[in-house]
Amino acid sequence: NAGVTQTPKFQVLKTGQSMTLQCAQDMNHNSMYWYRQDPGMGLRLIYYSASEGTTDKGEVPNGYNVSRLNKREFSLRLESAAPSQTSVYFCASSEEHPSRDTQYFGPGTRLTVL
Amino acid sequence: GENVEQHPSTLSVQEGDSAVIKCTYSDSASNYFPWYKQELGKGPQLIIDIRSNVGEKKDQRIAVTLNKTAKHFSLHITETQPEDSAVYFCAAKISNTGNQFYFGTGTSLTVIP
Repeated sequence: NAGVTQTPKFQVLKTGQSMTLQCAQDMNHNSMYWYRQDPGMGLRLIYYSASEGTTDKGEVPNGYNVSRLNKREFSLRLESAAPSQTSVYFCASSEEHPSRDTQYFGPGTRLTVL
Repeated sequence: GENVEQHPSTLSVQEGDSAVIKCTYSDSASNYFPWYKQELGKGPQLIIDIRSNVGEKKDQRIAVTLNKTAKHFSLHITETQPEDSAVYFCAAKISNTGNQFYFGTGTSLTVIP
């Protein structure tokens, strides 16, 4: 049981390049999330998916797109990277149940945009 | 939407002393309050959580208290050890399908040996 996995662990991009961050969970959770973490700003929600086939914008969605490929996988795409997107990105998942909605995080992807 | 505030942003304690981190929330409908510990270079890990039907929960040296009336909750770590040094985040959520978590901005705890 690997929990939440993310690839890649590190990435350096040039301004304007595109890339996709991958996330997978093996806990059969319905909900999945993408956050970015910047110094002094905590975790900010980019997009989330409450169930397979649905996605919703979070606090900071501009410049990102997501795909809930199936129940296990939730990817985050940067179409044209900007230096302001330099950050650490975390994927998370949770079960959608009033008493079992604990959220579990992946190890993160450290992205630098030059 | 929900607004979660966390204090202090940094905290230094001597080994063996207690540490307390406080969070307030704005939406009275929030009913699930987890706390996460994040070590350097790693993702946040849940250390304890509390739901609004209880006022306190304890797990060994860690405890969380919730005051629904005042809309605040706190993390208490007793007998601190150097390995407790990390960044701690609080969060709030309305437990229901499709609702998101709202996080505080984090507290960097340093335990001085």
